[in-house]
Amino acid sequence: AQSVTQPDIHITVSEGASLELRCNYSYGATPYLFWYVQSPGQGLQLLLKYFSGDTLVQGIKGFEAEFKRSQSSFNLRKPSVHWSDAAEYFCAVGALMNYGGSQGNLIFGKGTKLSVKP
Amino acid sequence: DSGVTQTPKHLITATGQRVTLRCSPRSGDLSVYWYQQSLDQGLQFLIQYYNGEERAKGNILERFSAQQFPDLHSELNLSSLELGDSALYFCASSVDSGTYEQYFGPGTRLTVT
Repeated sequence: AQSVTQPDIHITVSEGASLELRCNYSYGATPYLFWYVQSPGQGLQLLLKYFSGDTLVQGIKGFEAEFKRSQSSFNLRKPSVHWSDAAEYFCAVGALMNYGGSQGNLIFGKGTKLSVKP
Repeated sequence: DSGVTQTPKHLITATGQRVTLRCSPRSGDLSVYWYQQSLDQGLQFLIQYYNGEERAKGNILERFSAQQFPDLHSELNLSSLELGDSALYFCASSVDSGTYEQYFGPGTRLTVT
C-alpha cells in the first residue's frame, strides 16, 4: 500500500541555521510528490512539487527538495531558517490512479512540526 | 490566499446532530476533494468530486456524504455526529481530476460536544 513516512515529529532549529525535513514514500511507480506547510490555524499551502525531470525542485519561500528514487526519499531543505518558518510541514504523494486515471487524491505523512529558536 | 473558500470557519454542535460544510473551489477548478485532519489520524482523504460526479472515495464514514453542484461548489454533510468526528475539515480543488496539484481552503473546525 502507498504510504508516506515523516520520521521526525518535532524539530527545533536556530534562526539562520540550515534545515532538512525527511520524507520517505512507498509507491509502486514514479511518484508525484509534494510538500505543504500549515501555519497554526491556517490551511495547507503548497511549497513545491515533483512530477518528473530534474530531481532538485525549487519552491516558494526559499525551500527546495530533492527526489532520490534509490532511497525513496523527498527531503525538504532550506539553507537559512527564518522565525516565520515555524509551522507544520507535510509531505504527500499522489495516490495511484485507478483504472482510467481519474483519481487524484493525496496521501499525507503525519507531519513534522518545526520550531525556530531566536 | 489559495482562492478556495470554506464556510463556516468554526462549528460547534452536539452529538447526534447533522451539519453541512460548504466549499467553493478556485475559479476554473473542476475537481474538489475533502480531507479530515485529526490529531490521531492525521490528514485523511474522504472523497473527491469532478465536475459534479463522484470520482474517488477514501476513508469516509457512511454517516458522511458529499455532493458537487452545477456551479461547482461542494457540500460535505455529516450526520449522527459523534465526539470522534471533531476535527478540521479541509476542502481542496484542482484544475481537473488526476493532476494531484491541489489548493487547500482554510478549513472548517468542527467541535462535537
